[in-house]
Amino acid sequence: GQQVMQIPQYQHVQEGEDFTTYCNSSTTLSNIQWYKQRPGGHPVFLIQLVKSGEVKKQKRLTFQFGEAKKNSSLHITATQTTDVGTYFCAGPQGGKLIFGQGTELSVKP
Amino acid sequence: ETGVTQTPRHLVMGMTNKKSLKCEQHLGHNAMYWYKQSAKKPLELMFVYSLEERVENNSVPSRFSPECPNSSHLFLHLHTLQPEDSALYLCASSQRVSDTQYFGPGTRLTVL
Repeated sequence: GQQVMQIPQYQHVQEGEDFTTYCNSSTTLSNIQWYKQRPGGHPVFLIQLVKSGEVKKQKRLTFQFGEAKKNSSLHITATQTTDVGTYFCAGPQGGKLIFGQGTELSVKP
Repeated sequence: ETGVTQTPRHLVMGMTNKKSLKCEQHLGHNAMYWYKQSAKKPLELMFVYSLEERVENNSVPSRFSPECPNSSHLFLHLHTLQPEDSALYLCASSQRVSDTQYFGPGTRLTVL
């Protein structure tokens, strides 16, 4: 079936530490999207990757799309308390956008 | 961000009440969605509309009834809900069904 899996489900880090969340699809994806949901908020689109092996950066966030276009990662360098929230990946499968379960990041100051 | 609006933002209802959630998108999109998000759980897709036609209904109980009168508006009619239906209900829209989605702020629903 159509699946987009994310790990870990939760991650607790000390402020200043790095953080990575991984996303794996059961099928090859035409693109991968990443969203962030702040506590008490709603998911907000961050970025879309389209090309095999693509790497994009947004300040301290680095997004990668795997060579086989079946996996992706989001890496945050030197986390800050403003990075707190749940990060979702999503990919089109079967004509729909399938969301991963999300990784909840908490940052201890 | 005011591309997708939802009302009300908070709703408390009894199990015998009837209420409706409203979503409006100002982005000119053709697809709209309802999601349920319970505490510490992932997004659960409930309904998908494309060009005002329902294209997805993920085994949602009949006490939830969607309505899409036009491509800019989406409603979720609620009746005889259960306490376990308490959750954040999110509306989203996209240009096409598999495209990037833009979410509204959600309605926090509590069923007593």
